[in-house]
Amino acid sequence: NAGVTQTPKFRVLKTGQSMTLLCAQDMNHEYMYWYRQDPGMGLRLIHYSVGEGTTAKGEVPDGYNVSRLKKQNFLLGLESAAPSQTSVYFCASSYSKTSNQETQYFGPGTRLLVL
Amino acid sequence: RKEVEQDPGPFNVPEGATVAFNCTYSNSASQSFFWYRQDCRKEPKLLMSVYSSGNEDGRFTAQLNRASQYISLLIRDSKLSDSATYLCVVNTLYNFNKFYFGSGTKLNVKP
Repeated sequence: NAGVTQTPKFRVLKTGQSMTLLCAQDMNHEYMYWYRQDPGMGLRLIHYSVGEGTTAKGEVPDGYNVSRLKKQNFLLGLESAAPSQTSVYFCASSYSKTSNQETQYFGPGTRLLVL
Repeated sequence: RKEVEQDPGPFNVPEGATVAFNCTYSNSASQSFFWYRQDCRKEPKLLMSVYSSGNEDGRFTAQLNRASQYISLLIRDSKLSDSATYLCVVNTLYNFNKFYFGSGTKLNVKP
């Protein structure tokens, strides 16, 4: 049981480049989330998903897109990276229908530097 | 106004000290409350849930005051390993399963 995993762990991009961050969970959770964390700002929700095939915008969605084609995976895409997107990105998942568990579990994070 | 507010600290305490953090939340419809711990450059991890009647887990005690809309975390007999950032988290189930995070309170336990 790996919990929540994220790839890559670290990436450097040039302005305008694109990339996809992958999040995977093996806990059969219904909900998945992408956050970014910046110094002094706390965790801010980018996008979230309440189930396979559904996504919704969070607090800071601009410049990002997401997809959840499979229940266990949640992808975060940056189409044209900007320096303002330099941050640490955390994926999280929560809620299993069988356990009715509401606790949120986090992946180890992806550090992204946009030059 | 932020959904969840915390004193950023840092709280610098000696080993063995007792330290308390408070956190306020703005949405009276909030239903679930948690304390997470985050070590430097690591992901947040659940420390404990906070129940209406208050709850204790070893050296850690969490309290909820719905009337005043705040939650607290008390750490007794602080250890060096308690040094971390403590995040207050509030959940509002009416808006699917959305979590609101405080910016965190940094604790430094000194020898």
